[in-house]
Parts: sequence; structure tokens; C-alpha cells
Amino acid sequence: ETGVTQSPTHLIKTRGQQVTLRCSSQSGHNTVSWYQQALGQGPQFIFQYYREEENGRGNFPPRFSGLQFPNYSSELNVNALELDDSALYLCASSLAGGLTQYFGPGTRLTVL
Amino acid sequence: DAKTTQPPSMDCAEGRAANLPCNHSTISGNEYVYWYRQIHSQGPQYIIHGLKNNETNEMASLIITEDRKSSTLILPHATLRDTAVYYCIVRVGDSGNTPLVFGKGTRLSVIA
Repeated sequence: ETGVTQSPTHLIKTRGQQVTLRCSSQSGHNTVSWYQQALGQGPQFIFQYYREEENGRGNFPPRFSGLQFPNYSSELNVNALELDDSALYLCASSLAGGLTQYFGPGTRLTVL
Repeated sequence: DAKTTQPPSMDCAEGRAANLPCNHSTISGNEYVYWYRQIHSQGPQYIIHGLKNNETNEMASLIITEDRKSSTLILPHATLRDTAVYYCIVRVGDSGNTPLVFGKGTRLSVIA
């Protein structure tokens, strides 16, 4: 059984650019959640995908968007990057109706 | 906002039990107590969760008070690898899609 994987590990972008982060869920898990973790803070919920549809969203602007694919993998897209978007982006997978989310190692995004 | 209160930091001697407290005085009847930990710059790791009974697994024990307003995570024999930020989270348990709301957690330092 493979765990949650994310790519890339690190990424450097400049302000105004767009970025795509990727997540492969744990085997058999059909729900993917994305979190943003700024330095020194706990992770903050961005949104969740289930059956390829957005299924809940936190307090993040529309320039944060996502996709889920039939194999349950997911992408997080951020447009018009701002300096404050610099953070660790975490993906977590779970079974719909399951109680526990399992996290990947994260993608460290730096916006210059 | 997080519905839990945790001390910002704690120290523990290697080989001794680490007892991490958490207050959740406004917990509802259908909310579970979850514990995750995050070792520096890695994704959060699930530890344990419970509703009202005490729980134990290979990593830790969770003790929940009878009124459910507080709990304690116990690492029975702390090692240096247990140095991490520990998050206590309350979450509705009847839907696997409910996002996790993280606070700032407790930074546990295990000292040789």
C-alpha cells in the first residue's frame, strides 16, 4: 500500500506567475483535501475534492482552484501568485465517510 | 478557529512518558478528538483519535475525561524522534469530509 505522494518537493516562482501542484492519494482513498501551512502556523484548509467535484472550501480566493481525476489524484492551481502564497502546501487523502485523513510530505512553494 | 487549547511548548526527558494536555471545553457530542504530529517540515502524521473512551495504539494512548472537556495524549517512552509539534483537533465524526482545523499545537522537545 502506497502512501500519499506530492510533487514537486520544492518550487520557486515569481509574483504574478501561476503554479500547479500535484497529489496522488493513498491507495483506495477517494477524497483529497488541500491545506496551506505558512511558516510557524498550523495548516489551513483550502478545499476538498470528492468524485471529481469540489466538496467544501475554506477562506481562500478563487485564484486557488483544483481538480480531481478519475484515479483520485488531484491538482492544486494557484494563479497570480502573491508573496504571501509562500508556504508548505499539504495534500491529505481519506475514504469518504472515513474518519482519518492521511497527509503527504508537502510541496514547499517560495514566491519571490 | 481551532476549538482546542494547548500549551505552546513542553520538554520531556528521553525514555520518560510525555503527557500532552488539550482543553476542548466546547466539544459537542458528535465530535471526536484527533491527535496529529508534525516533525519539522514534513506532513502531519496521524497518531490516534477517540470519542469518549480511552484509546491505545502502537504509537500512543489517548485519555479523555468523563465530561470530554479535556484530553491527554501519552507517549509512554519518548525518544528523540518524538520531537515534533503535536496538534489536538476536535472534528465532527459522522462525516469523513469535514476538514481538520489546526491550531498552533504544542512543540514537544525530547531531551537526551
